[in-house]
Amino acid sequence: AQSVAQPEDQVNVAEGNPLTVKCTYSVSGNPYLFWYVQYPNRGLQFLLKYITGDNLVKGSYGFEAEFNKSQTSFHLKKPSALVSDSALYFCAVRDSGAGSYQLTFGKGTKLSVIP
Amino acid sequence: NAGVTQTPKFQVLKTGQSMTLQCAQDMNHEYMSWYRQDPGMGLRLIHYSVGAGITDQGEVPNGYNVSRSTTEDFPLRLLSAAPSQTSVYFCASSYSSITTNEKLFFGSGTQLSVL
Repeated sequence: AQSVAQPEDQVNVAEGNPLTVKCTYSVSGNPYLFWYVQYPNRGLQFLLKYITGDNLVKGSYGFEAEFNKSQTSFHLKKPSALVSDSALYFCAVRDSGAGSYQLTFGKGTKLSVIP
Repeated sequence: NAGVTQTPKFQVLKTGQSMTLQCAQDMNHEYMSWYRQDPGMGLRLIHYSVGAGITDQGEVPNGYNVSRSTTEDFPLRLLSAAPSQTSVYFCASSYSSITTNEKLFFGSGTQLSVL
């Protein structure tokens, strides 16, 4: 079975400071990893994904994420937070094995950027 | 392109009533899915489809039915609504059902309350 853990329900960061939203995963095979963002009263939007290759993945809105296989982690980062980054962030994982259509989401982390 | 369109946006049901949540996409996506979002539980997969005429169960399928008669439409039916089905429901799609590393496109959600 595959699973995702987002250990922090909420992260608070001052505007202009770097931010990190943590994610760890568990799959039996190799992972496909994703980050999505949800703004209030909206559906989820794709930010970035890791499939294979370079462990540092760059995505939308200046976000990036680092894949660490030994720690089974895929933390989301941004060098300088904006107030407009305040939202709910979801990490998700899918096993890369054939026929693995199920994408498993974490419980989400609420990011608040304080002016 | 409208993307993924969900109707209605809000619905209140009485226990035991049935209803259908509609989902349509105009991107010729093969893969479509339904998730429910509950506080503190993230998103959980209800049912998914890898093409017209092909559906399968996700993590929490009980109490829900789906069908996929066309590529564009993927309705979710609640057979006999229960208070435990109070949730926000999201439809999501992706282009290929074979390449499982593709991003999902989400609708804006349906907020359902069962009294």
